Amino acid sequence: NAGVMQNPRHLVRRRGQEARLRCSPMKGHSHVYWYRQLPEEGLKFMVYLQKENIIDESGMPKERFSAEFPKEGPSILRIQQVVRGDSAAYFCATSSSYEQYFGPGTRLTVT
Amino acid sequence: DQQVKQNSPSLSVQEGRISILNCDYTNSMFDYFLWYKKYPAEGPTFLISISSIKDKNEDGRFTVFLNKSAKHLSLHIVPSQPGDSAVYFCAASGNYGGSQGNLIFGKGTKLSVKP
Repeated sequence: NAGVMQNPRHLVRRRGQEARLRCSPMKGHSHVYWYRQLPEEGLKFMVYLQKENIIDESGMPKERFSAEFPKEGPSILRIQQVVRGDSAAYFCATSSSYEQYFGPGTRLTVT
Repeated sequence: DQQVKQNSPSLSVQEGRISILNCDYTNSMFDYFLWYKKYPAEGPTFLISISSIKDKNEDGRFTVFLNKSAKHLSLHIVPSQPGDSAVYFCAASGNYGGSQGNLIFGKGTKLSVKP
């Protein structure tokens, strides 16, 4: 996990609020992946980005969720109007080849 | 429709013995397989991987075996140590229709190594 930073580590939001999760890749990595883990489940792919481009968002819910990876700064996963079902651990991973290295995750709790 | 399956949710092994974690997959287009280890409240840590052109890859106490005809892979840990106690995830990747690098994960197997 060394090098991939995620913040915040814990985030509590009330229903209807917005959640912003940040991911700073390892040095030299230009590929960012976001995954979500629900309790007792494996990680589920959400979106794959390279700098300024969304490559694959097939795992993203159609509404309320968006992601970006700007030229400067971290990748951001944004969830608008959160609902209880959004409560989960959100992990980002970065890579320069096949192996993906994960950050420590953000645990989102919606109350 | 689960493309990567870890059918054993948990496994308990005595320290010093071999741990064998199993994983099955359904999509023959997967061409790269990875094992990750995860402790509570942490992100997954990459352990070992194998390309579909190989049938075995070894790194220290960890060995991954791939049987393409059976669509089955396994992770062997020998000797097992109490610090190996964690949840182990199998993941697959490849040119299966998803983007290259998009990992498909199993649900994990919780390994407990008893002293």
